[in-house]
Amino acid sequence: TQLLEQSPQFLSIQEGENLTVYCNSSSVFSSLQWYRQEPGEGPVLLVTVVTGGEVKKLKRLTFQFGDARKDSSLHITAAQPGDTGLYLCASSYNQGGKLIFGQGTELSVKP
Amino acid sequence: KAGVTQTPRYLIKTRGQQVTLSCSPISGHRSVSWYQQTPGQGLQFLFEYFSETQRNKGNFPGRFSGRQFSNSRSEMNVSTLELGDSALYLCASSLFGGTGANVLTFGAGSRLTVL
Repeated sequence: TQLLEQSPQFLSIQEGENLTVYCNSSSVFSSLQWYRQEPGEGPVLLVTVVTGGEVKKLKRLTFQFGDARKDSSLHITAAQPGDTGLYLCASSYNQGGKLIFGQGTELSVKP
Repeated sequence: KAGVTQTPRYLIKTRGQQVTLSCSPISGHRSVSWYQQTPGQGLQFLFEYFSETQRNKGNFPGRFSGRQFSNSRSEMNVSTLELGDSALYLCASSLFGGTGANVLTFGAGSRLTVL
């Protein structure tokens, strides 16, 4: 059974702090996606990483894909209250439209 | 362009009843996937439809079923509802589906409460 492990599960920080969320698997990812979900809404895709060692930046968010394609991280610099939400990693493991999601990281950024 | 539309947004049912949820994908998208989201289990894949055919299925009992129409709209049905079926049901659409880097656009979900 393929499993995606995310850590930490919960994170409560002050505005301006930095944070990193991790996503790990025992299997190799074909690709890895990061989503953010706000209360009452569906997840919204932030980024897709495909190549081992890849680094992508989205404003204050930096996404890394491990060289072996078994792990990924999301780093937020100078977090803001608007970053509050549930961050999810997901992968298809080459099973087409079936995405396997991590349990998510609930981030709360206090002003 | 309009996003993924799910109806109803909220509903309350009692044990033993059945429920039908609807999903209208983004215009031109032919793949529709359904997910169940609960606090304990997170997001779990239910099934995926492409051109009216079920292409992938998750590990859910037969009480969970779905279908896709020729206009790509999809419905999912849960029969003989149990308390544990209380969840947010999310629908996602994509242009083709079936690729390693599948880009899904999710709807806002249908919040089902079973009493």
